[in-house]
Amino acid sequence: QQQVRQSPQSLTVWEGETAILNCSYENSAFDYFPWYQQFPGEGPALLISILSVSDKKEDGRFTIFFNKREKKLSLHIADSQPGDSATYFCAASPGGNYKPTFGKGTSLVVHP
Amino acid sequence: GPKVLQIPSHQIIDMGQMVTLNCDPVSNHLYFYWYKQILGQQMEFLVNFYNGKVMEKSKLFKDQFSVERPDGSYFTLKIQPTALEDSAVYFCASSLLGQDTQYFGPGTRLLVL
Repeated sequence: QQQVRQSPQSLTVWEGETAILNCSYENSAFDYFPWYQQFPGEGPALLISILSVSDKKEDGRFTIFFNKREKKLSLHIADSQPGDSATYFCAASPGGNYKPTFGKGTSLVVHP
Repeated sequence: GPKVLQIPSHQIIDMGQMVTLNCDPVSNHLYFYWYKQILGQQMEFLVNFYNGKVMEKSKLFKDQFSVERPDGSYFTLKIQPTALEDSAVYFCASSLLGQDTQYFGPGTRLLVL
């Protein structure tokens, strides 16, 4: 049973466009949602996170939109750059970042 | 930023042998984690470790798995004996406190033949 789902599996955008990565979850107990960025050959790195009490979190070009009722969230990457090309993982956990459940990831390619 | 190191980066062993995966966590961190990622699948939590003890483990953390961090040295994951289904990338992570940001290592790619 996959508790955290991500779509699309892969995404290609042009430099300057906004990339939208989607995530949904099943467990109502999840209240902390980190997004990780992973480059080939490296481990995932925390990019941005949100708590379920918020519906939006911004950090520079990265924004999370969160819909608790529908159990959905999305990561928007504005003004995409080729250096943003990576795999992005949505994760979820109850009670903080103690034991996150990961999605399968979205592979993003940004063409110059 | 803070770096977590993992040694070795790749390991190939025969089924039934023992393997030890080593993790050098961020120096002042207190919580340590192992995750397993099979090719094409999501990364899955195996175990977390604090103050010399396993705090929580998942059903993937089989009896053949063990973790330890003797005297503040490497945080290790030992698999004895290994099975074919243990082939995966194993990621180590550490955090200062249990609720804090986890910093991941680059992973050890384990292939069991």
